Amino acid sequence: QKEVEQNSGPLSVPEGAIASLNCTYSDRGSQSFFWYRQYSGKSPELIMSIYSNGDKEDGRFTAQLNKASQYVSLLIRDSQPSDSATYLCAVNSGSQGNLIFGKGTKLSVKP
Amino acid sequence: GAGVSQSPSNKVTEKGKDVELRCDPISGHTALYWYRQSLGQGLEFLIYFQGNSAPDKSGLPSDRFSAERTGGSVSTLTIQRTQQEDSAVYLCASSPHWGDGYTFGSGTRLTVV
Repeated sequence: QKEVEQNSGPLSVPEGAIASLNCTYSDRGSQSFFWYRQYSGKSPELIMSIYSNGDKEDGRFTAQLNKASQYVSLLIRDSQPSDSATYLCAVNSGSQGNLIFGKGTKLSVKP
Repeated sequence: GAGVSQSPSNKVTEKGKDVELRCDPISGHTALYWYRQSLGQGLEFLIYFQGNSAPDKSGLPSDRFSAERTGGSVSTLTIQRTQQEDSAVYLCASSPHWGDGYTFGSGTRLTVV
């Protein structure tokens, strides 16, 4: 059974701090990695994708991938209350067409 | 269209009735996916269509669930003889190609009473 694991949280950080969200996956054949943000009562929204080892930066967001450790992370710099949401890690393995989602980490940014 | 469109947005049905949920993906997206999300739970994969290939039905929870995609575009998810445990938000997503990130629709909230 291919799995994607995330700490459910809640993760609470003060406004302006760095939020660090982590994810591990079980399938070594995984090739594509994504972070989605889901506000309460809304559908998931794609915020970052990463395909190769290392860091990928987009504005205040940085995704980090370490395939040897089967580990993906998302850093949110200068966190804002509007970043408060559940963050879902998703992984696409080479043998399946669909993404496997973690259960998400709930982030709360306190003013 | 500009985004993934799902209808209806809400559906309340009586136990034992059949329901049809519709998804209109982003124009030109070859891959279409159905997931469901129960209250406080993660996203559960149901079925996946890629172009004209046979769909991957490996996530369908029972034979009461079926889906089709006509003309490589619009998809319909059908649940027969609905049960209370079918209550969930049903999410459709599409992507340009296999392996790309998805764009989700706003979902259909299904309540079986």
